[in-house]
Amino acid sequence: GQQLNQSPQSMFIQEGEDVSMNCTSSSIFNTWLWYKQEPGEGPVLLIALYKAGELTSNGRLTAQFGITRKDSFLNISASIPSDVGIYFCAGQLGAGNNRKLIWGLGTSLAVNP
Amino acid sequence: DAGVTQSPTHLIKTRGQQVTLRCSPISGHKSVSWYQQVLGQGPQFIFQYYEKEERGRGNFPDRFSARQFPNYSSELNVNALLLGDSALYLCASATTPLAEAFFGQGTRLTVV
Repeated sequence: GQQLNQSPQSMFIQEGEDVSMNCTSSSIFNTWLWYKQEPGEGPVLLIALYKAGELTSNGRLTAQFGITRKDSFLNISASIPSDVGIYFCAGQLGAGNNRKLIWGLGTSLAVNP
Repeated sequence: DAGVTQSPTHLIKTRGQQVTLRCSPISGHKSVSWYQQVLGQGPQFIFQYYEKEERGRGNFPDRFSARQFPNYSSELNVNALLLGDSALYLCASATTPLAEAFFGQGTRLTVV
């Protein structure tokens, strides 16, 4: 199936550090979404982006919709142990009956207290 | 308010069997999507239903089918199970197909 290029694949950081991850694609998306998934749980929506260039924050999280509409990044500032999990980007393609979400493979984040 | 609920939470089936997974969306949500998530991968889109009609279909074989009921709950059916169908099956609901989707905890299907 289709996938986005998400990087890095995994990160191991110290508590208090900032984190940055991104997704790129050759396709143009009309929406970018960032999700966090913890073990045994479904993904939880963190931030939704709807317009090229849009920069949106949710607490310590900040995400941007790339100007070309082919990429997005997510930053986490001052990481804490509960930030541990897998972060997925997802881009929405198409319209009408051809709408679908394309997912990255995830960035696994570990935080050392 | 209850979130998206899926049942069962875990399921073990043998090859060749059939399985039905169930999803109840958040109250007021009319769109339900199904995803398959294999261990270590991102979710793969299977189906989207809105107002009881199929609105999108991913690249899955015809062994996979789904439907949405008048109360907007949904079922995913998989026939002739293969070992490769083992995965976490996620249901997501939204007010409309373009709105933010909220996920359930998933059904962990193991095919032996």
